Amino acid sequence: AQKITQTQPGMFVQEKEAVTLDCTYDTSDPSYGLFWYKQPSSGEMIFLIYQGSYDQQNATEGRYSLNFQKARKSANLVISASQLGDSAMYFCAMRSIGGTSYGKLTFGQGTILTVHP
Amino acid sequence: KAGVTQTPRYLIKTRGQQVTLSCSPISGHRSVSWYQQTPGQGLQFLFEYFSETQRNKGNFPGRFSGRQFSNSRSEMNVSTLELGDSALYLCASSFGQGAREQYFGPGTRLTVT
Repeated sequence: AQKITQTQPGMFVQEKEAVTLDCTYDTSDPSYGLFWYKQPSSGEMIFLIYQGSYDQQNATEGRYSLNFQKARKSANLVISASQLGDSAMYFCAMRSIGGTSYGKLTFGQGTILTVHP
Repeated sequence: KAGVTQTPRYLIKTRGQQVTLSCSPISGHRSVSWYQQTPGQGLQFLFEYFSETQRNKGNFPGRFSGRQFSNSRSEMNVSTLELGDSALYLCASSFGQGAREQYFGPGTRLTVT
């Protein structure tokens, strides 16, 4: 079984500062993918970034980067230069590549990020 | 390129009724997954379809069913609605099951009274 743990129910950051959202995972699958999504109050899940378990380098997408530490089973999201529009719920998720849970995303409970001006 | 679309966006039903939700994936995407989001349970996987075949199913009762058509559009059906079925239902599409990106639609908010 897969499990995603996000230990920060809420985080606050000042505009233009960087913030790290924590995510740890547990899986016995040898190959998997890790995702981060942003969910504003409108409800739509916005794809931010993806990291494959065999990717050699940490993923980056604009102001988003994923700090992937495979041995520690952590996949923290770093948002640089926070903007007011970054205020939202953030979800970490994982998906096995292969195996019986192929294609299924398992989500964490989410972290509410509030950016202060 | 158009994103994932879901219809209807909002729905109010009465306990005992049934409901059908629709999802149109991004053009070229063949995998469609459905998720239920509630404040108490968070985001839970319902099922996934790829090339008209259900490839994976979550731990939901048989009242929840789905299908996928040859154009990759998918529908999910919930029969004999219960109050606990009130949720945001999200559909996600990807090119294939191992795709690096999975895009979600805006969701259908179902309220059961």
